[in-house]
Amino acid sequence: QKEVEQNSGPLSVPEGAIASLNCTYSDRGSQSFFWYRQYSGKSPELIMFIYSNGDKEDGRFTAQLNKASQYVSLLIRDSQPSDSATYLCAASSGGSYIPTFGRGTSLIVHP
Amino acid sequence: DGGITQSPKYLFRKEGQNVTLSCEQNLNHDAMYWYRQDPGQGLRLIYYSQIVNDFQKGDIAEGYSVSREKKESFPLTVTSAQKNPTAFYLCASSPTRRNVGEKLFFGSGTQLSVL
Repeated sequence: QKEVEQNSGPLSVPEGAIASLNCTYSDRGSQSFFWYRQYSGKSPELIMFIYSNGDKEDGRFTAQLNKASQYVSLLIRDSQPSDSATYLCAASSGGSYIPTFGRGTSLIVHP
Repeated sequence: DGGITQSPKYLFRKEGQNVTLSCEQNLNHDAMYWYRQDPGQGLRLIYYSQIVNDFQKGDIAEGYSVSREKKESFPLTVTSAQKNPTAFYLCASSPTRRNVGEKLFFGSGTQLSVL
């Protein structure tokens, strides 16, 4: 059974701080990793995608991948109240490419 | 505008009733998916389809049925056999399902509740 694990939170950070969200996965064959943001009652939207070891930066977001440790993280710099949402980590393998989702981490950014 | 349209936004089911959730996409995507989301939970795959007239069971297919008669449409029926249907249902699509890193495009979701 492929599993993606996330701490459900909530993770509470002050405005302007760095929010660090973590995710581990069980399938060593996983090749692609995704971070989706989901506001309450809305559908998920993709914010980051990574498939190589190391860091990938896009604006205030940085995704980090360590395949040896089977670990993916998302850093949000200069956190804003509008970043308050649930962040879903997903992993897909070469066999099916259909992503397996974690349960998500709730992030609260307080002014 | 291209996108995925789900309807209705809210749906109520009576005991023993089958209900159908609609999903239409105009993105010309080959692959379509149905996910179920319970409060505080991630997305669990119900069914997926890569091409017209073909679909596969996901992790939690029991009590659900689908059809893929047209490329644009992938309706989900929640049957009376699904004893705990209350959840948020998300339809998604992707261009091909064969490329590494292919992202999913989601509809706005349907909240199904039991009366």
